[in-house]
Amino acid sequence: GESVGLHLPTLSVQEGDNSIINCAYSNSASDYFIWYKQESGKGPQFIIDIRSNMDKRQGQRVTVLLNKTVKHLSLQIAATQPGDSAVYFCAENYNTDKLIFGTGTRLQVFP
Amino acid sequence: GAGVSQSPRYKVTKRGQDVALRCDPISGHVSLYWYRQALGQGPEFLTYFNYEAQQDKSGLPNDRFSAERPEGSISTLTIQRTEQRDSAMYRCASSVTSGGAYEQYFGPGTRLTVT
Repeated sequence: GESVGLHLPTLSVQEGDNSIINCAYSNSASDYFIWYKQESGKGPQFIIDIRSNMDKRQGQRVTVLLNKTVKHLSLQIAATQPGDSAVYFCAENYNTDKLIFGTGTRLQVFP
Repeated sequence: GAGVSQSPRYKVTKRGQDVALRCDPISGHVSLYWYRQALGQGPEFLTYFNYEAQQDKSGLPNDRFSAERPEGSISTLTIQRTEQRDSAMYRCASSVTSGGAYEQYFGPGTRLTVT
């Protein structure tokens, strides 16, 4: 399959450790945010979302934190597994129907 | 159930030719989106539809690009007189409804190469 993110920022973690991926978004009026995971040769896959009236949301092994003061979003992955290796994108929406994607981060998980 | 499908998965065409890229959204999804994704970057919005109506085409690069969704289901993105700079991955996504704050499901994409 094709390679996504040849020169992206990379986070390398050991299997079992927790991962934190950060994202700075652009528009203070954005009211909805999504994290996507993209594996090589595949389309982006939804992980978790959060609305602007929240500052934290938890899913299965994942937590998203939203800091509207500094326009910062983070994705925390607990007990990172080899299958978590991928490129991760945050996306924002501000009262429109189109998502604006940020720069991706490549997560590499080592055994 | 079936996800978003796109065809062809790979398309190689010569400069100046027209190409048509097809997207088949998840059944029943109201909204359909087209994005373009360059290597190393996130998807970039092109246009979207609610049912058969094109709601926003502000992301289409120029008038060589057009899209339609005549029956509110399958959509076609057409690029006329292709240029090398059009080479990219074209992705389609659909969501159950519009309004922005709903998950968009992405298809596998069509890799377009213009030689």
